[in-house]
Amino acid sequence: GQQLNQSPQSMFIQEGEDVSMNCTSSSIFNTWLWYKQDPGEGPVLLIALYKAGELTSNGRLTAQFGITRKDSFLNISASIPSDVGIYFCAGPSGGSYIPTFGRGTSLIVHP
Amino acid sequence: DGGITQSPKYLFRKEGQNVTLSCEQNLNHDAMYWYRQDPGQGLRLIYYSQIVNDFQKGDIAEGYSVSREKKESFPLTVTSAQKNPTAFYLCASSRDRYQPQHFGDGTRLSIL
Repeated sequence: GQQLNQSPQSMFIQEGEDVSMNCTSSSIFNTWLWYKQDPGEGPVLLIALYKAGELTSNGRLTAQFGITRKDSFLNISASIPSDVGIYFCAGPSGGSYIPTFGRGTSLIVHP
Repeated sequence: DGGITQSPKYLFRKEGQNVTLSCEQNLNHDAMYWYRQDPGQGLRLIYYSQIVNDFQKGDIAEGYSVSREKKESFPLTVTSAQKNPTAFYLCASSRDRYQPQHFGDGTRLSIL
């Protein structure tokens, strides 16, 4: 099946720092989705991207759909302790409509 | 409030037993999904259903079964044939197959 490479695997940052993570694929994606999962809970949709080059913000979060359609980036500005969690990228590619999920980026924010 | 309800939150199974995980949604979504999550792993698709009385195998369907008799319900049975059932199970739904998925809060299954 299609492979999604999400990096970094984990991040340890100080409160107030900006965060950047990315996802790359071997296949072209039609949609990129970014989710956040808090411990013991289900993932929550943060941002959905539908067009190559699209840049979308949700509060302190900004995500971009790469021009090649094989990558996407998520940035978090001025991190706060409640940003702690696992961030997943996901998306369907090719003829499939079922999204494949990356392995996640674990974010820890030190106060 | 509209949402997806998974129950129970924690479930314990003895060797050789089948167990059923519940998933109910009141979002009027057509599509529903079951995923398995292991530590450090992404979400792996077990089964999905686009419409009532229809469902398809995902990437890791062996040892699992589902039914979709009602639009709002998509229960997952973990059978004794699943040799490594300990995991966090997530149910999701979407308005249709092209829309982003929304998730329940999961059921953690452990073997006694």
